[in-house]
This record gives sequence, C-alpha cells and structure tokens, in this order.
Amino acid sequence: AQTVTQSQPEMSVQEAETVTLSCTYDTSESDYYLFWYKQPPSRQMILVIRQEAYKQQNATENRFSVNFQKAAKSFSLKISDSQLGDAAMYFCAYRRAYSGGGADGLTFGKGTHLIIQP
Amino acid sequence: GAVVSQHPSWVICKSGTSVKIECRSLDFQATTMFWYRQFPKQSLMLMATSNEGSKATYEQGVEKDKFLINHASLTLSTLTVTSAHPEDSSFYICSARKTGVSNQPQHFGDGTRLSIL
Repeated sequence: AQTVTQSQPEMSVQEAETVTLSCTYDTSESDYYLFWYKQPPSRQMILVIRQEAYKQQNATENRFSVNFQKAAKSFSLKISDSQLGDAAMYFCAYRRAYSGGGADGLTFGKGTHLIIQP
Repeated sequence: GAVVSQHPSWVICKSGTSVKIECRSLDFQATTMFWYRQFPKQSLMLMATSNEGSKATYEQGVEKDKFLINHASLTLSTLTVTSAHPEDSSFYICSARKTGVSNQPQHFGDGTRLSIL
C-alpha cells in the first residue's frame, strides 16, 4: 500500500519570504500522480499543483513550484513571496495512474499547517 | 467548469437517525466519485469509491452497512450514514473526476459537517 508522509506539522514564514513544505511517499508503482492541496479554515479543498510521475520537469504554478525527486520519492512544495492568503493546511496527496482496471482515490499525508506572519 | 456540489453543508441530528449526503457533479459526468472523512485536525481518509451502476468499493475498516453508497446516475452519488452515533460525527467530503479522462484531477465538494448529538 502507498503511504504519504509530511514530517512538518506546522511551518511559519514571514510575509514575502519563501517557504518549503516537505513530502515523501512510498509506492511500488512506476506511474502515478502527486498533488498539493490547500485547505483554508473553510475546509474547501483547493488544488495547488500537481505532478505526473513520468514527467521529469518540475511543475510550476505562479508562486508555487515543486521539487520532484522520483528516485528519492520526495515531492516538496515551494511557495515564493508568501502572502497572508497562503495561510492554510497543506496536504500532499498521491494517486496511482488510472490503468483502466478501476479508479483510485487519493492517499493524503497528515498535512502541514502553514502560518504567515505579517 | 468542473464544479462539484455537496449537500447539506451542515447537519445536526439525534443519535440513531440516518443522514443522507448528496454529491453532484454539476457540469460534467463522473462514472466514479469518492467519499472521504476528515476528523478534526486530521487528514482526509478515503472511505469508499462510488461507481455508477455498480456496488461501491469500501476501504478496509469502513463498514459498508453503516455507510451506504448509491451512485444511480453519472452526476449523483449519495452517502447515507445509517443509525448515526456521536462517533460518526465528522467532516465528510466527496470528490469526482471526469469520466474517460484519466489524467484529470479530482474536484472536491465543499464538504458536510455532521454532528450527532
């Protein structure tokens, strides 16, 4: 079974600074997807960024970028120029690629609470 | 696009009653939907995979007779918590992925906060 580990329960960063959230995972699959979701106090799940395992290039979405190290099974999220609105819980998630034999739900890490200090 | 509506957003009921939660994909078809549970200050845990026109697939440790899932159409899945007790109080979230597009991400509903008195 696959597992996702987020070792930082809480992180704090000054506004406008850069912060990196860590995520490691374990799987025997070679093809899969990785995601970072943001969950603000409203508890809505917001997709921040995703990475296909077969792509070597790291995904980037504006101020958000990932460092995907497939051999090390590491998938960290870097937030540049942190803003107050970035404050939330951040969950790393894994899903194996759809093989036609059935769809799989997401496996989530325990989350990292990101605090932005003004 | 890709909006998922979940209803109700909050429900409070007495112990022993059954509660139905609806999950609708508003602008796309979803052969498969997913149900997650999130306890306070914890992560989301997959409960079951809802398949249109067939039986749901439950994760280990989830009681299928307790959490009834029906996926009668390509846009609607329901989760019924039967004979609910205080320990069933939690935040339930559904998600859906567009049919036939394997690399699409899941789209989440806004969740249902269930409180059993």
